[in-house]
Amino acid sequence: GENVEQHPSTLSVQEGDSAVIKCTYSDSASNYFPWYKQELGKGPQLIIDIRSNVGEKKDQRIAVTLNKTAKHFSLHITETQPEDSAVYFCAASPQGTYKYIFGTGTRLKVLA
Amino acid sequence: DTGVSQDPRHKITKRGQNVTFRCDPISEHNRLYWYRQTLGQGPEFLTYFQNEAQLEKSRLLSDRFSAERPKGSFSTLEIQRTEQGDSAMYLCASSLEAGEQFFGPGTRLTVL
Repeated sequence: GENVEQHPSTLSVQEGDSAVIKCTYSDSASNYFPWYKQELGKGPQLIIDIRSNVGEKKDQRIAVTLNKTAKHFSLHITETQPEDSAVYFCAASPQGTYKYIFGTGTRLKVLA
Repeated sequence: DTGVSQDPRHKITKRGQNVTFRCDPISEHNRLYWYRQTLGQGPEFLTYFQNEAQLEKSRLLSDRFSAERPKGSFSTLEIQRTEQGDSAMYLCASSLEAGEQFFGPGTRLTVL
């Protein structure tokens, strides 16, 4: 069935360092890949997304890469700041449906 | 605030009771989604509506769960005969057509 694996489950970095979170999806027909940030007590908030016809997308300190052949996509955060500390979720949207299949999340801690 | 709103934010109930949650989407959004999130996991898709039509339901949505969106605006999710395994955060999201899904803050359900 449809599945998204996400690694690592926890990640601690020093302020100013980079953080990388990786996801793998199972449904090769998936065509949309959003990344969400969830802070304590709040709903997930979209931070960046990528469609299957694009290999990379960047928005200031955040970038996402997609390897369709390997069914991998990754989130890259550069120059991390304490306010980046949160749980990050990747997701994939299988073609023909509008639901998202989420990964299990990565708890990012940025140490000041 | 014109984001997705959910009510109540917290609900404590006893096993066997019925509960109902409400979601008010962003006003012009025609699609509305329900997800369930348990501790340490990513959101899991339950169901979605396009206007008032319920177009997809997950296997997770047992016959004790029912969702409605009677006029294509707000939606309700009802759980009958609650069980301890129903304890989770219930998230609602909305989107305009196939665009970004905006999530609400969630309703945290605790079944004693």
